[in-house]
Amino acid sequence: NAGVMQNPRHLVRRRGQEARLRCSPMKGHSHVYWYRQLPEEGLKFMVYLQKENIIDESGMPKERFSAEFPKEGPSILRIQQVVRGDSAAYFCASSPGQGPFDGYTFGSGTRLTVV
Amino acid sequence: EDKVVQSPLSLVVHEGDTVTLNCSYEVTNFRSLLWYKQEKKAPTFLFMLTSSGIEKKSGRLSSILDKKELFSILNITATQTGDSAIYLCAVFEGAQKLVFGQGTRLTINP
Repeated sequence: NAGVMQNPRHLVRRRGQEARLRCSPMKGHSHVYWYRQLPEEGLKFMVYLQKENIIDESGMPKERFSAEFPKEGPSILRIQQVVRGDSAAYFCASSPGQGPFDGYTFGSGTRLTVV
Repeated sequence: EDKVVQSPLSLVVHEGDTVTLNCSYEVTNFRSLLWYKQEKKAPTFLFMLTSSGIEKKSGRLSSILDKKELFSILNITATQTGDSAIYLCAVFEGAQKLVFGQGTRLTINP
């Protein structure tokens, strides 16, 4: 079991460009969660998705950010017109179904740097 | 607003010392509390605590939850340099969403 796979590991974007972060959940998992970690801070919930559905996006900024988890393929977190404040580590996690359970597994994260 | 507060934010000790990390929480719909260890990459799961007063143990690490006073502690005995990391406390708010504390940065000096 390859675990939760995120790519790219590192992403550098200039201000105003788009960033696309990908997350492939563990085999058999149909629930995906995205978290953001700013420097020297804990992780902050962004969005929770099931296949083809956004269940909870209460942590997503209202503008420029969007997420999807299509029927086929990885979940995508998309940030349009990136700004310096978007620089952070973005972690994805997956679970097999409704919790609570023994904690979900995180991927290794994508470190986004906006220059 | 749901919040999780960890203390201390930073701790430096010598190898062999025992440390206690604290986590207090205020969450509307508490389900369980989790501890993670983070070393420059993904957080790795340590413990999940659901019931008060029941200690969970794994080697030199142990943790306990007090649901009346709304806090948890993580103990590490006979610390080693490999224990140096950021320790994150998180609470399940509802069934799916984790609310994290800001973390405790633990440094173990040889």
